[in-house]
Amino acid sequence: RKEVEQDPGPFNVPEGATVAFNCTYSNSASQSFFWYRQDCRKEPKLLMSVYSSGNEDGRFTAQLNRASQYISLLIRDSKLSDSATYLCVVTAFKAAGNKLTFGGGTRVLVKP
Amino acid sequence: EAQVTQNPRYLITVTGKKLTVTCSQNMNHEYMSWYRQDPGLGLRQIYYSMNVEVTDKGDVPEGYKVSRKEKRNFPLILESPSPNQTSLYFCASSPYGTGGETQYFGPGTRLLVL
Repeated sequence: RKEVEQDPGPFNVPEGATVAFNCTYSNSASQSFFWYRQDCRKEPKLLMSVYSSGNEDGRFTAQLNRASQYISLLIRDSKLSDSATYLCVVTAFKAAGNKLTFGGGTRVLVKP
Repeated sequence: EAQVTQNPRYLITVTGKKLTVTCSQNMNHEYMSWYRQDPGLGLRQIYYSMNVEVTDKGDVPEGYKVSRKEKRNFPLILESPSPNQTSLYFCASSPYGTGGETQYFGPGTRLLVL
């Protein structure tokens, strides 16, 4: 089993609709969680951190469920520009610095 | 402009010919790391460094070397490249030594090993 798993998609989403997807992780000692966005094999860019209480940034909402070991991302009122691959990142502490593990990414295609 | 730079951006080489991919950041970040991205496998961490002279292996360190002699630079060395190292490589940095915060990525280096 992979340490961090995502549904690769693609999720085909009509413009204006809501889409949500999860990321599961296997290491219960994981400490920090993030969602990154990657466009067409360009460099990933931070979308948002994921906090225990859940957090929202505009149309984007992230949730963390430690008991079931997954994080989620919800996108409301999808825009064409939201088409991208969304990567979840999980970090775990090591003496030499945190080890980051990326999920394989979930591809989202927003269509008119 | 705050950024992470990588060179070269594109490289075609042959098996066994040593190469170095440079990575430099101008944000005075302590944590730097290297990743490779392959279809179906996602981004995998190769090596990381929480500060000068402190490095550790990530998930896929075999066939790679790194050094961190200066805070701003973190070169990736392939002593004897092989075709299975054909990949898209990203360097990244983050402000603190733990690496548990935002990662700033370079633009990527596309490597083809024949």
